[in-house]
Amino acid sequence: GENVEQHPSTLSVQEGDSAVIKCTYSDSASNYFPWYKQELGKRPQLIIDIRSNVGEKKDQRIAVTLNKTAKHFSLHITETQPEDSAVYFCAASWSGGSYIPTFGRGTSLIVHP
Amino acid sequence: NAGVTQTPKFQVLKTGQSMTLQCAQDMNHNSMYWYRQDPGMGLRLIYYSASEGTTDKGEVPNGYNVSRLNKREFSLRLESAAPSQTSVYFCASLGTSDEQFFGPGTRLTVL
Repeated sequence: GENVEQHPSTLSVQEGDSAVIKCTYSDSASNYFPWYKQELGKRPQLIIDIRSNVGEKKDQRIAVTLNKTAKHFSLHITETQPEDSAVYFCAASWSGGSYIPTFGRGTSLIVHP
Repeated sequence: NAGVTQTPKFQVLKTGQSMTLQCAQDMNHNSMYWYRQDPGMGLRLIYYSASEGTTDKGEVPNGYNVSRLNKREFSLRLESAAPSQTSVYFCASLGTSDEQFFGPGTRLTVL
C-alpha cells in the first residue's frame, strides 16, 4: 500500500518568514495530493491540492509543488502570519476508484509574532 | 447545510463499556470514513463506506464495527472499550472533487 512520509514534524518560524513542509510517497499510481490544515481543537480542512498532471499550484500565500519522478510534493507558505499556526497534513491517493487517502503524520507550524 | 455532524462531542467510558459514535452528512455524498487521530500519528483510517450498503476495513479496524445506515448516516461502534481506544475520532465524507469534509470530532477517553 501507499506510504507517506512528512517532514518536519515541528516547524517554528518568525512572522513574515516562509515555511516549507515536505512529503514523499511510495505508490507511483497516486495522482491526487491534498493538504489539510487543522487548527487547535478543530477539524481538518482542505487548503490546497494538486493533481499529477500539474507541477505547481498557487493560491495567494500558499503553493504546492509536485515532483512525480522523485515522488515528493511540498507545501510553501510565504509571508507567514500567526493565524497560520496549525497542524498541516499532506495526503496521497489514487483518484479513480475507491478513494482511500494515506495521510502523513502532520507538521505543527508555529508562527511567532 | 450543516455539512458533517458528529455526536457526541466528548465521552468518557470505563473499560469494557460499549458505545456508538454517530455521524451524518447532508451533502448527498456517497463515500464516508471514520478516522482516529492520536498525537504524532496523523489520521488513521478505521473503516470506510464507498456507498450505501457497503463497508470496508481500513488501517486500524480491530475493536470497532460500523454501520452505513443510509446514505446520510455512518456510525462507529465500540463493543468493549479499551484504554488504547482513547483518541479523537473524526468522521468524513467525500465530495465530487475528492475533497474530504470532516466532522467536528469526538474526543473519547477510556478509563
